[in-house]
Amino acid sequence: EAQVTQNPRYLITVTGKKLTVTCSQNMNHEYMSWYRQDPGLGLRQIYYSMNVEVTDKGDVPEGYKVSRKEKRNFPLILESPSPNQTSLYFCASSLSWGVETQYFGPGTRLLVL
Amino acid sequence: KNEVEQSPQNLTAQEGEFITINCSYSVGISALHWLQQHPGGGIVSLFMLSSGKKKHGRLIATINIQEKHSSLHITASHPRDSAVYICAVRGNNDMRFGAGTRLTVKP
Repeated sequence: EAQVTQNPRYLITVTGKKLTVTCSQNMNHEYMSWYRQDPGLGLRQIYYSMNVEVTDKGDVPEGYKVSRKEKRNFPLILESPSPNQTSLYFCASSLSWGVETQYFGPGTRLLVL
Repeated sequence: KNEVEQSPQNLTAQEGEFITINCSYSVGISALHWLQQHPGGGIVSLFMLSSGKKKHGRLIATINIQEKHSSLHITASHPRDSAVYICAVRGNNDMRFGAGTRLTVKP
């Protein structure tokens, strides 16, 4: 089944404890992206990747890192999480950056205490 | 002013009603997406448009590039259509999103 998977789905952590949210797709998609969704602010792009080893900042990249060493995986790294990173995170992918549909992962709900 | 504006923010309809959700944008785009987010949180892409009109079942999406405006229509609405509908525009490399329209369809 074609899908985008994220792990973990739910995470409670404390300020400053490094964490990684994994994202994987099995559709051989070139383009992958991370978004966060906050009440009143909607969805905002954090980072995106056009292909392996090609990443770039979105609207709200501060406090996040990403890597794209393999085509299927695009992990989101929070080196030192802070409470303002409490949010719902979505990973998405599409075949390429053009006029193709984006497929979204199920979301990861993160609470930073 | 947000680059992507949706209206209305909230919409309540009776089952069977015709529904329209609007999206206006102020930036150049390569495509516009309509997304659906159910209460559980998952996001599904309904349409991707770069011109004209598309139809899937009871859903119709239109876009007017010159006026920088898109509409999502739902015919014969049903309670299972209750969800948040999000307009998203695709720029050079990035995506920008509207705040969403929360639709509630009552039986």
